[in-house]
Amino acid sequence: EAQVTQNPRYLITVTGKKLTVTCSQNMNHEYMSWYRQDPGLGLRQIYYSMNVEVTDKGDVPEGYKVSRKEKRNFPLILESPSPNQTSLYFCASSLFDNYEQYFGPGTRLTVT
Amino acid sequence: GQQLNQSPQSMFIQEGEDVSMNCTSSSIFNTWLWYKQDPGEGPVLLIALYKAGELTSNGRLTAQFGITRKDSFLNISASIPSDVGIYFCAGRVKTSYDKVIFGPGTSLSVIP
Repeated sequence: EAQVTQNPRYLITVTGKKLTVTCSQNMNHEYMSWYRQDPGLGLRQIYYSMNVEVTDKGDVPEGYKVSRKEKRNFPLILESPSPNQTSLYFCASSLFDNYEQYFGPGTRLTVT
Repeated sequence: GQQLNQSPQSMFIQEGEDVSMNCTSSSIFNTWLWYKQDPGEGPVLLIALYKAGELTSNGRLTAQFGITRKDSFLNISASIPSDVGIYFCAGRVKTSYDKVIFGPGTSLSVIP
């Protein structure tokens, strides 16, 4: 089944403790992206990747890192999480940047 | 930067009623997209519009790409309980890549 998977689905952590949210797609898509969803703000793009080893900042990249070492995986890294990074995170992928995006199920992160 | 406004923010309707929601911006977009997010899941694309003036249907859903390219609307006819969710409009604009910008969403509740 074609899908985007994210892990974990739920995470509660403390300020400053490094964490990684994994994202994987099995559709051989070139383009992948991370969004955060906050009430009243919709989805805002954090980082995107056009292909392996090609990543760039979206609209809200501060406090986040990404890597794209393989086509199927696009992990989101929070080196030192802070409470303002408490949010619902979505990974998405598409064949190319101008094609339909498929979203993962989301990761709800709480930083205390 | 580009921003999208959606109205209404939320709506409570009776099963069987028609629903209308819209999305406006001060910026021009070359594609309009409508997504639905079910509780606990990622957004799923409902309708994509590629040309100013285009009117497209998908079952009980109808969406239009505004003539000015700065707005779009989505209608749902004869609502049913499974229409409950958050509806996001999104516009695609060409920057250094094909960037998708999301509106804040319209939350729809259907009373059986």
